[in-house]
Amino acid sequence: DARVTQTPRHKVTEMGQEVTMRCQPILGHNTVFWYRQTMMQGLELLAYFRNRAPLDDSGMPKDRFSAEMPDATLATLKIQPSEPRDSAVYFCASGLDSDYEQYFGPGTRLTVT
Amino acid sequence: QKEVEQNSGPLSVPEGAIASLNCTYSDRGSQSSFWYRQYSGKSPELIMSIYSNGDKEDGRFTAQLNKASQYVSLLIRDSQPSDSATYLCAGGYGGATNKLIFGTGTLLAVQP
Repeated sequence: DARVTQTPRHKVTEMGQEVTMRCQPILGHNTVFWYRQTMMQGLELLAYFRNRAPLDDSGMPKDRFSAEMPDATLATLKIQPSEPRDSAVYFCASGLDSDYEQYFGPGTRLTVT
Repeated sequence: QKEVEQNSGPLSVPEGAIASLNCTYSDRGSQSSFWYRQYSGKSPELIMSIYSNGDKEDGRFTAQLNKASQYVSLLIRDSQPSDSATYLCAGGYGGATNKLIFGTGTLLAVQP
């Protein structure tokens, strides 16, 4: 069953804590996208990778967010320290080469209190 | 800055009617258009890709792209209550990246 998986599905944490979200792209896909979705801003691209190399992270607050791909089957998004304004749903999506079609994971719903 | 604009809705249509969703792009650089459906509390699901001017049909869905007018639409025929969702439009701008620019979505409500 080819689908993007994300863990955890829900995360509640206190302000100042570190949060790590993980994504496993569809097997064989070599591009990974991280998005944040809120009611106010909609779907925002935070970062994306092709063949594990970061191509664009201009949408990501650099002071607290970091994204990596330790290997082809794992992408991580880390927030340290977390703030209440980071509360959102974080989606990972994967795709193939330069194709535009992206396939989304179920998301991580983050609540920072 | 490239933007994709959609009417936030809600767009309410009766069951069996045609639902028409629209999307405009801020510049002519968009080379392709995509429609995603997102049910409440779920992730976006790709339902239509269109790369060329004109119409593309897939079942009850028809996408219409006009690059010169920077406009794309999605028609849903014989709308069903199960079509009730937010529909996100996205544009692909080519170049060295394959990233998409998403609109904020239109909420569609199909009334039984």
